[in-house]
Amino acid sequence: SQTIHQWPATLVQPVGSPLSLECTVEGTSNPNLYWYRQAAGRGLQLLFYSVGIGQISSEVPQNLSASRPQDRQFILSSKKLLLSDSGFYLCAWSLGTRDTQYFGPGTRLTVL
Amino acid sequence: AQSVTQPDIHITVSEGASLELRCNYSYGATPYLFWYVQSPGQGLQLLLKYFSGDTLVQGIKGFEAEFKRSQSSFNLRKPSVHWSDAAEYFCAVDAGGTSYGKLTFGQGTILTVHP
Repeated sequence: SQTIHQWPATLVQPVGSPLSLECTVEGTSNPNLYWYRQAAGRGLQLLFYSVGIGQISSEVPQNLSASRPQDRQFILSSKKLLLSDSGFYLCAWSLGTRDTQYFGPGTRLTVL
Repeated sequence: AQSVTQPDIHITVSEGASLELRCNYSYGATPYLFWYVQSPGQGLQLLLKYFSGDTLVQGIKGFEAEFKRSQSSFNLRKPSVHWSDAAEYFCAVDAGGTSYGKLTFGQGTILTVHP
């Protein structure tokens, strides 16, 4: 069966510091991968998605970036965090485009 | 712009009572529709989905949802709520077209269950 991991589970970072969140999927090959952000009291916003290694599509212009160095690894990064980057970051995977998306446990990021 | 609306931010029901959570979307074509549930501090779990066919779909944990094209709705129902159903529920839509493969989520409905 497939599993999805995210780490760290929680993170507290000062404004202006860098960020690296990691997501890995096990039990499948060439999944579609997604990064979402959930701000307090709001729904989920799609940030990035990838249909293959090295291929990243950005949905929202911001100071975040994503990379997919390996088939089942998806990384969310920032060079300098802003207060507005605080939120709950969720990674998801699907077998293909328009297939059901399955979510990881999330990372709670607090920027102070 | 495409949108998904969950009109009820917070719903409170008594254990054993019936439940209906509303979801409306604004698209022309038939979208792919999903309901997810999120417990506090956790990821999202898929309850059910609609792609095509029978407009009444059954999901896990005794939930069902009905797609009504004429009303652009996909409401979630459960005949008898259990205390463990307390969570936040999200409706999501893949509209196809330029949004092919991308989910747009509603704002969520928080469900509180009273004993």
